[in-house]
Amino acid sequence: GQNIDQPTEMTATEGAIVQINCTYQTSGFNGLFWYQQHAGEAPTFLSYNVLDGLEEKGRFSSFLSRSKGYSYLLLKELQMKDSASYLCAVINNAGNMLTFGGGTRLMVKP
Amino acid sequence: DAGITQSPRHKVTETGTPVTLRCHQTENHRYMYWYRQDPGHGLRLIHYSYGVKDTDKGEVSDGYSVSRSKTEDFLLTLESATSSQTSVYFCAISDTVGGQPQHFGDGTRLSIL
Repeated sequence: GQNIDQPTEMTATEGAIVQINCTYQTSGFNGLFWYQQHAGEAPTFLSYNVLDGLEEKGRFSSFLSRSKGYSYLLLKELQMKDSASYLCAVINNAGNMLTFGGGTRLMVKP
Repeated sequence: DAGITQSPRHKVTETGTPVTLRCHQTENHRYMYWYRQDPGHGLRLIHYSYGVKDTDKGEVSDGYSVSRSKTEDFLLTLESATSSQTSVYFCAISDTVGGQPQHFGDGTRLSIL
């Protein structure tokens, strides 16, 4: 079975740093994706981790620990436009099916 | 942005009627997916396709059927719509499987009264 957990909501201040956690228990694992989704829009790809460690991409970084079934998305220098939902998703061994967590709604306040 | 068009973008219909949603891509990607997104459940896979006339079930396939007669089009059909199928439906595409991200269409908001 697949179980992916994320906090439902988080609030942070403009200019700050926020960490969004994702834990997973899945029957197969071939990598973990993070997507951003603004209200009423399509999800857009942010990052992909398949090996342990930190992947940095501008203001966004994503970390993976396969042994702990744990990932986080780190957002630095928060901007108002970062207010969105952040979706964690695990891809199965065959690589053909993504399982999503429920998403974390991040609200950035001035 | 990936060339993915979903139609219609919004639809309101009645229980018991058939409904077909269309996903059209201009990227010539092999893989296409249909998801539904509901509050509290996130995105859930309904069906996916790995080539023309090759499809398989996802997590929540009951009450849905799909067809792919051309690389560019993937159709999702609700044979007899029920109120529980009120949702936002997203189509996604990818060129390969594994580490290649899926790219999503803008979604179809479907309301079944």
